[in-house]
Amino acid sequence: GDSVTQMEGPVTLSEEAFLTINCTYTATGYPSLFWYVQYPGEGLQLLLKATKADDKGSNKGFEATYRKETTSFHLEKGSVQVSDSAVYFCALSNAGNNRKLIWGLGTSLAVNP
Amino acid sequence: DTAVSQTPKYLVTQMGNDKSIKCEQNLGHDTMYWYKQDSKKFLKIMFSYNNKELIINETVPNRFSPKSPDKAHLNLHINSLELGDSAVYFCASGPFNYNEQFFGPGTRLTVL
Repeated sequence: GDSVTQMEGPVTLSEEAFLTINCTYTATGYPSLFWYVQYPGEGLQLLLKATKADDKGSNKGFEATYRKETTSFHLEKGSVQVSDSAVYFCALSNAGNNRKLIWGLGTSLAVNP
Repeated sequence: DTAVSQTPKYLVTQMGNDKSIKCEQNLGHDTMYWYKQDSKKFLKIMFSYNNKELIINETVPNRFSPKSPDKAHLNLHINSLELGDSAVYFCASGPFNYNEQFFGPGTRLTVL
């Protein structure tokens, strides 16, 4: 079945450091890919998405490119801020899954001043 | 205006009790979901309803019963609560023809 694997955390960075959180997937066909973010004490919110190969999703300085050849959707940000401290979830959605999102385990990011 | 709201935000109760969590969305979405998030942040889908009809029912004990009185509401009733039910429960909604989901703020359930 479809699955998502993302790097384990926690990830700890200093402010202004470069961030990469790896996400790879296994799926048949052409899934849509998502990154969600969960700030402390809150629900998840969509950060960015890509619906087809080579699409780049971007939001709030974060980017991820849908790479079909490597089945990856890595999240990157050039300069993190303390306010980016959160848990980041990679997810995919595939036709025929009843609109179910397949979730990664989440990666906790802590950014120190 | 809150898009997806849940009540209560916190719920502390004794083992064996029955409790309900309510969810409402004002986004006009057709599909609503219940998720359970454990202490390690692992997110597990429990149920999904589309236009009041159950479409996803993962392996969840039958002590958990969702109820959708209309497409804007999806409530979760839990019978005979157990210690392992302690978690944060999230409601979400989304349009049926699109994969994005919008989450509520969560209900932290603690079973003593």
